[in-house]
Amino acid sequence: DQQVKQNSPSLSVQEGRISILNCDYTNSMFDYFLWYKKYPAEGPTFLISISSIKDKNEDGRFTVFLNKSAKHLSLHIVPSQPGDSAVYFCAAGGSGTYKYIFGTGTRLKVLA
Amino acid sequence: GAVVSQHPSWVICKSGTSVKIECRSLDFQATTMFWYRQFPKQSLMLMATSNEGSKATYEQGVEKDKFLINHASLTLSTLTVTSAHPEDSSFYICSARDPGTGASPLHFGNGTRLTVT
Repeated sequence: DQQVKQNSPSLSVQEGRISILNCDYTNSMFDYFLWYKKYPAEGPTFLISISSIKDKNEDGRFTVFLNKSAKHLSLHIVPSQPGDSAVYFCAAGGSGTYKYIFGTGTRLKVLA
Repeated sequence: GAVVSQHPSWVICKSGTSVKIECRSLDFQATTMFWYRQFPKQSLMLMATSNEGSKATYEQGVEKDKFLINHASLTLSTLTVTSAHPEDSSFYICSARDPGTGASPLHFGNGTRLTVT
């Protein structure tokens, strides 16, 4: 039972355009959501997070949107840069437990 | 920012031997650390929660006698893969949260690639 899903295994975007990565979850108890970026043979690097009391959080080129009724979150990267090419994981969990469930990842390729 | 160091970064061992992986929080004290495992092209699967000074909590389906976790200090957790077999070959990653930063994310080590021959 995959509680956190990323239905797009890969995404290609032209440099300078917007990248939109999507994530769906099933557990309504989740109240904290995160996005991580991962390069091969390395650990994930934290990008941005959002708690369930918000519907948007922005940090530089990265914005995360949360739609609680749809149990859906998305990560927007604008403008996309070639260095953004990596696998992106969304994660969800309870803010008090810090046990996060990860999605299956989306491989983003930004074309120069 | 918070740094989590993991060692070794890769290890090759023979079937039947045991391998120990270390995870250290370098600039903060972590009462809780988490061990994840990643198979090729798959998600990160939480294996267990390592608790300083007490027993680890294992996720369903993870053999606690196979994957021994010790959290002897506030900055060090170890994962020992006992009697390793080829199916244990995987990428193991530890993580920790800096408790001094409020509702903060997990910070991950760089992972350990284990290959059992």
